[in-house]
Amino acid sequence: GNSVTQMEGPVTLSEEAFLTINCTYTATGYPSLFWYVQYPGEGLQLLLKATKADDKGSNKGFEATYRKETTSFHLEKGSVQVSDSAVYFCALKAPGNQFYFGTGTSLTVIP
Amino acid sequence: EPEVTQTPSHQVTQMGQEVILRCVPISNHLYFYWYRQILGQKVEFLVSFYNNEISEKSEIFDDQFSVERPDGSNFTLKIRSTKLEDSAMYFCASRRDRGDTGELFFGEGSRLTVL
Repeated sequence: GNSVTQMEGPVTLSEEAFLTINCTYTATGYPSLFWYVQYPGEGLQLLLKATKADDKGSNKGFEATYRKETTSFHLEKGSVQVSDSAVYFCALKAPGNQFYFGTGTSLTVIP
Repeated sequence: EPEVTQTPSHQVTQMGQEVILRCVPISNHLYFYWYRQILGQKVEFLVSFYNNEISEKSEIFDDQFSVERPDGSNFTLKIRSTKLEDSAMYFCASRRDRGDTGELFFGEGSRLTVL
């Protein structure tokens, strides 16, 4: 079946620290992979995506590389800011109409 | 910027009562979804809707649940007889096309508390 597993939170970092949030997946076929972010009081928003193996998605200083050999799509940012405090969701879309999400990882960045 | 809107933001109800959660998807979108997230658990797929009918549904989406697009703009989720375990955040989402890379646009969620 299709599923996503992401690292448990919460994660607390100091400003300018390096961020990694791990995400691994199981899927039938060749999924597209996504990171969504939810800021306080808002809905989930697409942060970045990758549609095939070895693709790198990037946005707002965040990056994630689609690794088929390790079935992973880890989210990284070199220097986090207070404004990055949010909940981050890893997701996949297998062929068809369904998206599958992880549990979300809460990130708090302190000044 | 167009957005998905959901009402109510929070609803408290007694077990056994009917609840309707409302969503207004982005106007030129064709695919509509309901997801839910029980506190501390995964965001779970409930149902997808296209061309005025359900296209996929999960095991969670049993006979107690129904969806409707009554007037071409609203997309509603009805729970006929709520149970304690229905307490969750319910997210509506929409998408313009069917392509595998299509982005989902989410509403802010409706928190349902069943007492």
